Amino acid sequence: DTAVSQTPKYLVTQMGNDKSIKCEQNLGHDTMYWYKQDSKKFLKIMFSYNNKELIINETVPNRFSPKSPDKAHLNLHINSLELGDSAVYFCASSQGRRNYGYTFGSGTRLTVV
Amino acid sequence: GDSVTQMEGPVTLSEEAFLTINCTYTATGYPSLFWYVQYPGEGLQLLLKATKADDKGSNKGFEATYRKETTSFHLEKGSVQVSDSAVYFCALGGSGNTGKLIFGQGTTLQVKP
Repeated sequence: DTAVSQTPKYLVTQMGNDKSIKCEQNLGHDTMYWYKQDSKKFLKIMFSYNNKELIINETVPNRFSPKSPDKAHLNLHINSLELGDSAVYFCASSQGRRNYGYTFGSGTRLTVV
Repeated sequence: GDSVTQMEGPVTLSEEAFLTINCTYTATGYPSLFWYVQYPGEGLQLLLKATKADDKGSNKGFEATYRKETTSFHLEKGSVQVSDSAVYFCALGGSGNTGKLIFGQGTTLQVKP
């Protein structure tokens, strides 16, 4: 069984569209994250939720909105997509917030054309 | 703020060569330190970690020692294999008990037969 699963794996869409990426973890972890990896492989945190509560909200455009219906799910909705949103988006989870290490999903490659 | 700096890549080695990937950090307090590996088309996997000064993390022949005096966490392996070809990320646990990980820019390793 996949521990952290993201869907879709690939997403190609036009500028101005709205899209969502879903993430689910079956590890029983209570904290989930969204990271963005740019074309140079640099990883930057976007959001973090702990037991459905927003913990981290980095300087991300408000076109990006995370939603956590329960502690096993963290979805990312993006409005009015722009070319610069093209990247690989990774979901991750951890038990607690004491930095014992994350488990990552396999990523969603978003291409905006 | 907290940051991680890794050596520039790509690093190209022959099979059975010795590997060192340098990582230094800037942080307040005593963060946990991590190495993650990303194989092509996959998410990041935790390779090893260390939670306090002088701790040595090890896994699959890779090792790294938490050096507080030099603020370093260099990754080493005595004999690399072609299957070790991947991108390696050094990371530290950010302050504030948020669970946030701060990543270095990644170092690409290519091992040739």
